[in-house]
Amino acid sequence: DAKTTQPPSMDCAEGRAANLPCNHSTISGNEYVYWYRQIHSQGPQYIIHGLKNNETNEMASLIITEDRKSSTLILPHATLRDTAVYYCIVRGPDLDYKLSFGAGTTVTVRA
Amino acid sequence: GAGVSQTPSNKVTEKGKYVELRCDPISGHTALYWYRQSLGQGPEFLIYFQGTGAADDSGLPNDRFFAVRPEGSVSTLKIQRTERGDSAVYLCASSLGPGELFFGEGSRLTVL
Repeated sequence: DAKTTQPPSMDCAEGRAANLPCNHSTISGNEYVYWYRQIHSQGPQYIIHGLKNNETNEMASLIITEDRKSSTLILPHATLRDTAVYYCIVRGPDLDYKLSFGAGTTVTVRA
Repeated sequence: GAGVSQTPSNKVTEKGKYVELRCDPISGHTALYWYRQSLGQGPEFLIYFQGTGAADDSGLPNDRFFAVRPEGSVSTLKIQRTERGDSAVYLCASSLGPGELFFGEGSRLTVL
């Protein structure tokens, strides 16, 4: 059963911000939102994760709504190298180690 | 090495043959995961090891699939009597506890 819903694809202009939405309306209070991406022919790569508060690191920002039913991954200045499939994943705490991937959003950054 | 290493990177075999895929996790990582990814789909969980033991093997599709991690480091995924439907990229990941998973580049299996 899918815990997250993402658009299948989106385009973004190089140098602009890319905003990737994710719905997770059934998320539980102790579940985290994780984002991974997978560049063609490579393994998935961790981007960022959060519980309630917005998070930022060198790769991206994660904005989680107050009701935690949706979130947005922001790539501040998209480059051609950011073209990939982006996965939004809901993950339980300690005992739920595994990640359950959906189909993700295929993001194409265009020059 | 610095990352998760998987061998072979490509394996072509015939239907009915036996296949082994190897994963070398990041040194010191206690958790190891196997996933399978078919074309156009997200990775599908197969099995998770904590140390030497399989903590969760609920994703293994049937008894032709088996995985071991005898010394708590290197893991081998074994597929018996391969079928064409087993063709996929098999991904291995490791982590230090319940943190970020680090994935290898995968082993592409083609069953003719």
